[in-house]
This record gives sequence, C-alpha cells and structure tokens, in this order.
Amino acid sequence: EAGVVQSPRYKIIEKKQPVAFWCNPISGHNTLYWYRQNLGQGPELLIRYENEEAVDDSQLPKDRFSAERLKGVDSTLKIQPAELGDSAVYLCASSPGQGSYQETQYFGPGTRLLVL
Amino acid sequence: DQQVKQNSPSLSVQEGRISILNCDYTNSMFDYFLWYKKYPAEGPTFLISISSIKDKNEDGRFTVFLNKSAKHLSLHIVPSQPGDSAVYFCAAKGSSGGSNYKLTFGKGTLLTVNP
Repeated sequence: EAGVVQSPRYKIIEKKQPVAFWCNPISGHNTLYWYRQNLGQGPELLIRYENEEAVDDSQLPKDRFSAERLKGVDSTLKIQPAELGDSAVYLCASSPGQGSYQETQYFGPGTRLLVL
Repeated sequence: DQQVKQNSPSLSVQEGRISILNCDYTNSMFDYFLWYKKYPAEGPTFLISISSIKDKNEDGRFTVFLNKSAKHLSLHIVPSQPGDSAVYFCAAKGSSGGSNYKLTFGKGTLLTVNP
C-alpha cells in the first residue's frame, strides 16, 4: 500500500514569492491534515479536512496561507507571499476518517521549504 | 505555552540496554497519548499509543507507561538496537472541545543507540 505522497520534497524561494505544496493521501483515507514543523520543534497542525470540507483551520494564518481539497482526495497548500519565517518542513498526514477517536495519522515525508 | 514537554533533547544508550524517553503534559483534558518515531528526511511514523484508562501498553520491545496523577508518560525500549536511533516525538490529544482530533506534539528527543 502506497503511503502519503508529497511533492516537491525541497523548495527554495525568495521572500515575497508564492509557493505551493501538494499531497496525495493514502487511498481511501477521508481525513487529511497539514502540519508545519519548525526547526527543533514538533509538528503543529495547520488545517484538517474531512473529505473536501476544512473542519479545523483555526491555526492556519489566513492572510497568506490557503489550502484546498476540491475532490476530497489530494490537497494543495499555498503560501503567498512567503516570508522568511515560513521556512520549515510542511507535513501532510492522513487517517481513515472512520470516526474512531484513536485512529492513527500517517505522515508523508514532508516538503522542506527554505525562504531566502 | 508548551502543553507537551520533552525536556531531554537527546539521549545516548548502548546497544542492548534500556532506553527511557520521558514526556510531561500540562493539559488535564488530554486523554490519549502517542509516540512517533522520525528518521531524517522522513515523516513521523506511529510507534505506540496509550489511552488514559490504562497505565501501561506494550508492543514488542516498546512499552509506554502513563502516570496520570503526575501528568507524565515514558517510552521504554528494551533491548535498544542501533536501528532505533531516531527522533522520538510524544503527542497527545483530548476528547473534549472542537479540536478533539488535534495532536499536540512535544519537541522531540534524539535517541542514539551506540553499537
């Protein structure tokens, strides 16, 4: 079974430029999460989708960040414009979404973003 | 405000010995705890979990202990192997409130198992 796929794996951009990350969750997983992991920190949730609906985006900086999951499968996270402080690893995770409180989240390898 | 704390940034252990990784939490609403392992350039991988109704959960070489009164949990790896060398994240979530699926992570502990 294929895991969570993310692309690109690495991205270097100059500040004020836009950037987008793509995620394809495990087949059949209804719930998709985007996390940001700053250097030396644990992952922090940005947004959670149940199918195509964003059910928790309280931690997403909406002035510059946006996300979409139009068909309830793959998802895109965008930053426009990027700032120096956005340099981090952006992790996508998915879970079956069967309603179990204890269901496991499976993480992709992440996209490492460097903003110069 | 760090709700999940891993106070040891790193730990070094000899192969075959026990590794003990510690985690403290401050939010009394947390009732489900997980440990994830992360290798460089990979995403975190689920390792083991424990519900607050238990005080111990075991899976092979890995055992997690939960002390609710102390708001403390620990991960024991016995015996430790060089392939266990990774960053270990403690994570927690609570069943009440709107963000009941949100995982709150600690900063991680880098475990090095020396041959």
